[in-house]
Amino acid sequence: GQNIDQPTEMTATEGAIVQINCTYQTSGFNGLFWYQQHAGEAPTFLSYNVLDGLEEKGRFSSFLSRSKGYSYLLLKELQMKDSASYLCAFVSSGSARQLTFGSGTQLTVLP
Amino acid sequence: EAQVTQNPRYLITVTGKKLTVTCSQNMNHEYMSWYRQDPGLGLRQIYYSMNVEVTDKGDVPEGYKVSRKEKRNFPLILESPSPNQTSLYFCASSAGAGTEAFFGQGTRLTVV
Repeated sequence: GQNIDQPTEMTATEGAIVQINCTYQTSGFNGLFWYQQHAGEAPTFLSYNVLDGLEEKGRFSSFLSRSKGYSYLLLKELQMKDSASYLCAFVSSGSARQLTFGSGTQLTVLP
Repeated sequence: EAQVTQNPRYLITVTGKKLTVTCSQNMNHEYMSWYRQDPGLGLRQIYYSMNVEVTDKGDVPEGYKVSRKEKRNFPLILESPSPNQTSLYFCASSAGAGTEAFFGQGTRLTVV
């Protein structure tokens, strides 16, 4: 079957680094997305990994290990505005269903 | 500006009164989806569409209908809404499976 799991909540301090983990199980994996969602707003795209390794984009980086069914999102130099829910989602190859989302990790950045 | 537009943003209705939530995208995307988001459950796909006149069920299709008569529009229809359909709904579009999805601003629906 298909399954995706991420922690429900995390707390970190402004200026720190935080890593949000995501594990998944699916057949025919075809990539993993990270989205950011502020309360009551639409999710917005952060990153997409289809190959193993680290993708860096400014303060945000995302890592994928396909053999382990594991990804993480790394946020550096945390700012208060980074307080949001972070959603991981995978794409199954051979499927037109697009994205299967995790429940999201609510990150709170404290001053 | 590339965007996905949903209407209405907020809706309060009564049980059994048919309603339609509209969704329109201006990016000529083939793929469109509807999701509902509930606390602790994340985004769950209701229906998706690969192209005009091609639709299929997602994870939670019961109580919903969709249509895709034009590429840009993908309305969500609740024929007889019930309180358990109270939720935050998002429409999304993308160029294809495995590409970035663009989300509408959401429709907060309350069924009383």
